[in-house]
Amino acid sequence: QSVLTQPPSASGTPGQRVTISCSGSSSNIESNTVSWYQQLPGTAPKLLIYSDNQRPSGVPDRFSGSKSGTSASLAINGLQSEDEADYYCASWDGSLNGWLFGGGTKLTVL
Amino acid sequence: QVQLQQSGPGLVKPSQTLSLTCAISGDSVSSNAAAWNWIRQSPSRGLEWLGRTYYRSKWFRGYAVSVKSRITINPDTSKNQFSLHLNSMTPDDTAVYYCARSTGDLDSWGQGALVTVSS
Repeated sequence: QSVLTQPPSASGTPGQRVTISCSGSSSNIESNTVSWYQQLPGTAPKLLIYSDNQRPSGVPDRFSGSKSGTSASLAINGLQSEDEADYYCASWDGSLNGWLFGGGTKLTVL
Repeated sequence: QVQLQQSGPGLVKPSQTLSLTCAISGDSVSSNAAAWNWIRQSPSRGLEWLGRTYYRSKWFRGYAVSVKSRITINPDTSKNQFSLHLNSMTPDDTAVYYCARSTGDLDSWGQGALVTVSS
């Protein structure tokens, strides 16, 4: 079972704003940074957001991240059909001394 | 930019040992700023971190509790790569296995390799 909790699914229409939540605990999200990954079918996860709210070069500014306490969120503004994918949050856990992942959220663009 | 290229068998028999290799280009396995990880993904377990190795004046290794008794991750400085060995494989270990670099976040991933455990 994933220790970081995400909703299994989310959806929106083109142009809408969608948010995906990620809930953890004091040993992971609250004390370490959160990253977000986009996974298209048959491909490896791709880093989308790092250090809670930073975008790697090449990631559109439609994607943004935030964190408060033991929870984090990914927001996608101006939803596009190519955003349809699985999204995962991740954070280092200081108690387990390892990376933890969310269970993933399948985003559907209606 | 860094690229990770995985290699290894796609089919392993129960009780045997899985051996995968991840070749690094664009960075060094001996980097003082990176760690080299193995992660797997299956429908039942989702994304699961297995372990890592990194160099900070000496080599360190860390493993997930779930596989700690069965796993070894080793660097190979002569070939600039690192490997995963997971013994006593069972069908529950069937998954897509990824290698990944972390420099604070898991910023680069290998292409993934489906490993099926079956006789």
